[in-house]
Amino acid sequence: NAGVTQTPKFQVLKTGQSMTLQCAQDMNHEYMSWYRQDPGMGLRLIHYSVGAGITDQGEVPNGYNVSRSTTEDFPLRLLSAAPSQTSVYFCASSYQGPTWGYGYTFGSGTRLTVV
Amino acid sequence: AQKVTQAQTEISVVEKEDVTLDCVYETRDTTYYLFWYKQPPSGELVFLIRRNSFDEQNEISGRYSWNFQKSTSSFNFTITASQVVDSAVYFCALSDLPQGGSEKLVFGKGTKLTVNP
Repeated sequence: NAGVTQTPKFQVLKTGQSMTLQCAQDMNHEYMSWYRQDPGMGLRLIHYSVGAGITDQGEVPNGYNVSRSTTEDFPLRLLSAAPSQTSVYFCASSYQGPTWGYGYTFGSGTRLTVV
Repeated sequence: AQKVTQAQTEISVVEKEDVTLDCVYETRDTTYYLFWYKQPPSGELVFLIRRNSFDEQNEISGRYSWNFQKSTSSFNFTITASQVVDSAVYFCALSDLPQGGSEKLVFGKGTKLTVNP
C-alpha cells in the first residue's frame, strides 16, 4: 500500500517550459487535491477533484491545469512555467466516510524551481 | 470565509520545556474539522490529530495534548517536556463539510518550533 505517490521529487524548469507533476493514490479515495507551499504562507489549495471527471479551482489556480480521468491519478500541469511558480507542491487524497474528514493523506512533495 | 491564524511565527525553547502552539480559526459552519500537521526538516507532512466540531474533549497522546475551545475558536497544541526531535514546522488546518461534494483544507501559515539541547 503506497498511499499517495508524487513524481518527480525535484524539478528545475526554465521560464516558459511546460511540465506535469504526477500524483497517484492506491487507496480508492474519492477526493484529490493539489497544494503549494511557499515560505511563510502555509499551504494553499490550487485545484481539487471530488471524483473522476470532476475538478474545480482552489485558492490559487492561475497557471495550472488539472484533469481527473481515473480515480487513481490527478496530474497537475504547468503550461508555461514562471518564476512565481517556484514552490513545493503537495498532492493529497481523502475520502468521505462515516467519519468524514478523516482520510487526508499527503504525498511527499515535489520541489519545483523555475529559473 | 474560513481562516486559520497561527500568530506565532517562530518559537525557540530549551529541551524539556513545555511549549504551546496557538491556533485560532474562523468559520461560519457549525460542522467542521480541525487538524494539526507536523512538517519536520525532511519536508513531509505528518498527520497529528483530527478533531470534529462536536467533540470538545481535550486529547492527550503521550507528550502531545490539544485543547479545543469553541467559545474562543481555538485549537491549541501543547508539547510537554519538549525534545530536539520535536523541532519542526507545525500547521493547524480547518476543513468544512463538503458543499456539493467539495472539500478543502485551509491551513494556517505555520509555527516553526526549534528545540535546543
